[in-house]
Amino acid sequence: GENVEQHPSTLSVQEGDSAVIKCTYSDSASNYFPWYKQELGKRPQLIIDIRSNVGEKKDQRIAVTLNKTAKHFSLHITETQPEDSAVYFCAASTNTNAGKSTFGDGTTLTVKP
Amino acid sequence: EAGVAQSPRYKIIEKRQSVAFWCNPISGHATLYWYQQILGQGPKLLIQFQNNGVVDDSQLPKDRFSAERLKGVDSTLKIQPAKLEDSAVYLCASSSTGANGYTFGSGTRLTVV
Repeated sequence: GENVEQHPSTLSVQEGDSAVIKCTYSDSASNYFPWYKQELGKRPQLIIDIRSNVGEKKDQRIAVTLNKTAKHFSLHITETQPEDSAVYFCAASTNTNAGKSTFGDGTTLTVKP
Repeated sequence: EAGVAQSPRYKIIEKRQSVAFWCNPISGHATLYWYQQILGQGPKLLIQFQNNGVVDDSQLPKDRFSAERLKGVDSTLKIQPAKLEDSAVYLCASSSTGANGYTFGSGTRLTVV
């Protein structure tokens, strides 16, 4: 089955700096890669996703890149703010939309004011 | 639109007892998922329903876990008997055909003592 590894497990940055979280996947058939943000005690919420026919996608301060050959994808957050502090999960799916997703173990991002 | 509803929010039981969780997905969402999220880990899929049929239950510990989706809408996840290692947050998620990612419920935090 699919295996998703996520790094780093914790990340601390100063407000205004950039943060990068990286994930690798094992199943070359995976073609949908969502990212979720989970604040303490709350539900995971989809923040951005990318499909395998696209190399990069941006939404304001958030961007995701995908390298299908290397089977890795990354989340980039620019101009970080304290409210970006949360646990971020990457996931991979062989369905072009939702479907069964395999999640990484999460990255705890702390943005220091 | 109303979100994914789950109940109860918290449950504490002794080992070997039984417990049941309830989920009401977003209206019209054909696909429903139950995930187990152990502290410090990413969500792990337990079972996926498409309407009232099971699509994937390969990671469901069937000797103690069971799930059903009544009339393709609400779903119930049951554990009997519970073990200490079942302590986790049980997340329900739903998605519609062609959707981007999941909408998660708030989860049920289970503590087995």
